Amino acid sequence: NAGVMQNPRHLVRRRGQEARLRCSPMKGHSHVYWYRQLPEEGLKFMVYLQKENIIDESGMPKERFSAEFPKEGPSILRIQQVVRGDSAAYFCASSRDRGAGDTQYFGPGTRLTVL
Amino acid sequence: DAKTTQPPSMDCAEGRAANLPCNHSTISGNEYVYWYRQIHSQGPQYIIHGLKNNETNEMASLIITEDRKSSTLILPHATLRDTAVYYCIVRVTGTASKLTFGTGTRLQVTL
Repeated sequence: NAGVMQNPRHLVRRRGQEARLRCSPMKGHSHVYWYRQLPEEGLKFMVYLQKENIIDESGMPKERFSAEFPKEGPSILRIQQVVRGDSAAYFCASSRDRGAGDTQYFGPGTRLTVL
Repeated sequence: DAKTTQPPSMDCAEGRAANLPCNHSTISGNEYVYWYRQIHSQGPQYIIHGLKNNETNEMASLIITEDRKSSTLILPHATLRDTAVYYCIVRVTGTASKLTFGTGTRLQVTL
């Protein structure tokens, strides 16, 4: 059973460009979470999605960041007009359901570098 | 979610047991204790979780005190590959809620 997959693993963007990060959850998982880890800092929650719904976006910056988890396909974290401060590792996690199976499993992350 | 307190760093000799403590004195009755680790800059890896009974799996054992105000993660035979930052997280399970990571304990396993 493949784990959580993220791509690209490394992404380089110039200031002002857009970054799209993809996350494919584990098979059978319908809940996706995005976390960000700034250099030399801890992991911070950004957003929690179920298929076609955003459940909790309390950790998302108010501007330039958006996330979706369509009915078909991976979850996408989109950062518009990137700035140097967006350089970080972005991790996606998935869980099976809201009951006893809500343990979150993480992907390898996407390392975004903004030049 | 209840706050946790962990020592910032610990050392352990390879082959010995690593005992990582965590204080969670404000834990409530429906909150579980979860442990994750992050090796270098990889994605966090789930280790184990428990409510009040001691738990064991292929990776580690989790010992929770009777009053549930603290717990210990035990890696029975630490190897160099266990060098990582270990996070103790308290959360209500069954709600698919976010994980709140603290600063964790940096475990260094040495020869």
